[in-house]
Amino acid sequence: TQLLEQSPQFLSIQEGENLTVYCNSSSVFSSLQWYRQEPGEGPVLLVTVVTGGEVKKLKRLTFQFGDARKDSSLHITAAQPGDTGLYLCGSARQLTFGSGTQLTVLP
Amino acid sequence: SQTIHQWPATLVQPVGSPLSLECTVEGTSNPNLYWYRQAAGRGLQLLFYSVGIGQISSEVPQNLSASRPQDRQFILSSKKLLLSDSGFYLCAWSVGQANYGYTFGSGTRLTVV
Repeated sequence: TQLLEQSPQFLSIQEGENLTVYCNSSSVFSSLQWYRQEPGEGPVLLVTVVTGGEVKKLKRLTFQFGDARKDSSLHITAAQPGDTGLYLCGSARQLTFGSGTQLTVLP
Repeated sequence: SQTIHQWPATLVQPVGSPLSLECTVEGTSNPNLYWYRQAAGRGLQLLFYSVGIGQISSEVPQNLSASRPQDRQFILSSKKLLLSDSGFYLCAWSVGQANYGYTFGSGTRLTVV
């Protein structure tokens, strides 16, 4: 089983701050996905990264795939309370997910 | 457009009772289908996946089973629930080998009492 480790597990910040969430592995992945999940709901796909070194932007969210395709990061600029949720990285093709980062953005 | 339906949303069942959770997908053919379980606020544990009718792969030996009687229907079952079966169950589908991720259902919160 290929493991994905996410850090930090919990993050509580004030509105307007920036943050970065990490997803690391010793294994190489063909692609990685990031999801955001709200309580009582299923995860919603945010982005897929495929190419080593790839950077994708989704409004205030920036996703990066490591050059070696073993790690990824999610950076949020000027966080808002609506960004609150559980952020999961995963490799759907390889059937594995990280344990998630619970983000709370305080107004 | 493709949609995924999962029900029920919430279920409270006594220990030893049977379980049947259903998931259906609309708007696509021959999807790959998955059942995951999630502990409170944490990551996802793959339970079963299916690449076609009657084809089920089990990832974790346990008290649960899965069936795919139709192309777009995936059912999670148990003959006798245990307390440890409590959790949040998610169905998902993907195109092929899921290079571009899953679409998840809205989940079922199962509490075994």
